[in-house]
Amino acid sequence: AQKVTQAQTEISVVEKEDVTLDCVYETRDTTYYLFWYKQPPSGELVFLIRRNSFDEQNEISGRYSWNFQKSTSSFNFTITASQVVDSAVYFCALSERPGYSGGGADGLTFGKGTHLIIQP
Amino acid sequence: NAGVTQTPKFQVLKTGQSMTLQCAQDMNHNSMYWYRQDPGMGLRLIYYSASEGTTDKGEVPNGYNVSRLNKREFSLRLESAAPSQTSVYFCASSETGRGGAGNEQFFGPGTRLTVL
Repeated sequence: AQKVTQAQTEISVVEKEDVTLDCVYETRDTTYYLFWYKQPPSGELVFLIRRNSFDEQNEISGRYSWNFQKSTSSFNFTITASQVVDSAVYFCALSERPGYSGGGADGLTFGKGTHLIIQP
Repeated sequence: NAGVTQTPKFQVLKTGQSMTLQCAQDMNHNSMYWYRQDPGMGLRLIYYSASEGTTDKGEVPNGYNVSRLNKREFSLRLESAAPSQTSVYFCASSETGRGGAGNEQFFGPGTRLTVL
C-alpha cells in the first residue's frame, strides 16, 4: 500500500532563514502523483504543487522550490528567506492510479504533516 | 464562484445521535471526496465518488455512509455518532474521473465535529 512519511513533526526557524521540509513516499505503482498542501492557522487547505512520476525536474516558484528524486523516493520542499506568513502545517500527499492497490478509491494519501513555525 | 462549500462549520453531538454533513461544489467536477483530519494523523480518506451515483470506500469508512445525489453534492452521514468520530471533516473535489488520477483536489473549509 502507498505511504507518505514526513519525519519532521515540527520545525522552528527565525525569519529569513531557509528551511527544507522532507517527504518520503512509498508506492509500487509506476504512475503516481505527488502534492504539497499548506494548512495555515485558519484551517483551510491550500494547494501548492503537483508533480507526476515522469517529471523529475525541480520546480521553483518565488521563494518556494521542490526537489523530486525518484532514486530516493523523496519530494522535498524548500522555503527560501522564510517569512512569518509561511507559518503553517505543510502536508505532502501521494495519489496512485485508481484501483492499483486493490481498492476503488482514488484519493490522496497524506503524510502526517510538518508544523512550520517562523519566528520574527 | 464559491468552490467547495460545507455545512455546518461546527457541530456538537451526543453519542448515538445522527447527522449529515453537506458538501457542494460549483466547479463541475466529476470526483468528490470526504476526509477526516485528526491531530498528528494528517488527512485520511473516508469515501470517494467518481461520478453521480457511484461511491467507493477509502481508508476509514466504518461508521459512515455517503450519498452522491447529483454532480454537485456529496453528503456524509453518521448514523450513530461515537466519540472516536470527533474530528475535522473535509470535503474535496477534482476533475479526476475513474481511470484517471493526479489532478489537484480543491478542499472545502471543513466541519469541526465533536461527539460527547
